[in-house]
Amino acid sequence: DADVTQTPRNRITKTGKRIMLECSQTKGHDRMYWYRQDPGLGLRLIYYSFDVKDINKGEISDGYSVSRQAQAKFSLSLESAIPNQTALYFCATSEPTSGRTQGQFFGPGTRLTVL
Amino acid sequence: EDKVVQSPLSLVVHEGDTVTLNCSYEVTNFRSLLWYKQEKKAPTFLFMLTSSGIEKKSGRLSSILDKKELSSILNITATQTGDSAIYLCAATHPSYNTDKLIFGTGTRLQVFP
Repeated sequence: DADVTQTPRNRITKTGKRIMLECSQTKGHDRMYWYRQDPGLGLRLIYYSFDVKDINKGEISDGYSVSRQAQAKFSLSLESAIPNQTALYFCATSEPTSGRTQGQFFGPGTRLTVL
Repeated sequence: EDKVVQSPLSLVVHEGDTVTLNCSYEVTNFRSLLWYKQEKKAPTFLFMLTSSGIEKKSGRLSSILDKKELSSILNITATQTGDSAIYLCAATHPSYNTDKLIFGTGTRLQVFP
């Protein structure tokens, strides 16, 4: 089984709809992250969380919100989706120590299309 | 503003060729540089470099960091079609007790038989 899973893997929705992307991990890591990837722009950090009670904005948090329901679960919501939120979304995890030797571990990604 | 720049953006080679991918960074309080390989979807970790001049190797892949030049290179020797992927580099700097990653846009490598 994969260590970091994301659901759904693909989603097509319409402008104005509320969308939730979910991430689960079995690595036992405290730190979780949400990124989006756009062609020509690389990966950009949306939100990150150090534990259930600690959530922080990344560089592009506008239009997004997150919820850390448990150590293993971190969900990303688009309250009212817009076309420029069409992108590939990645969840990632890390530990304070392993993060300094192995970086972050990424999920398989969710391809979101907003029409 | 912190940034990471990769070059070239795209590279097409034949099997057996050797390639060098470049990554330069301007990051406040730089801590380390990471290389990832992204094939179909999720980026997978290749190397983390923290010390200048020390080469890290894994099979046909190797990487080195030059802190004076604020750059790193990733070398792939005797390329194979399975090396076709996007190669991402990311710089880290301490922020709120964690290492935030600042990614470059990636180099797309295509290896043809």
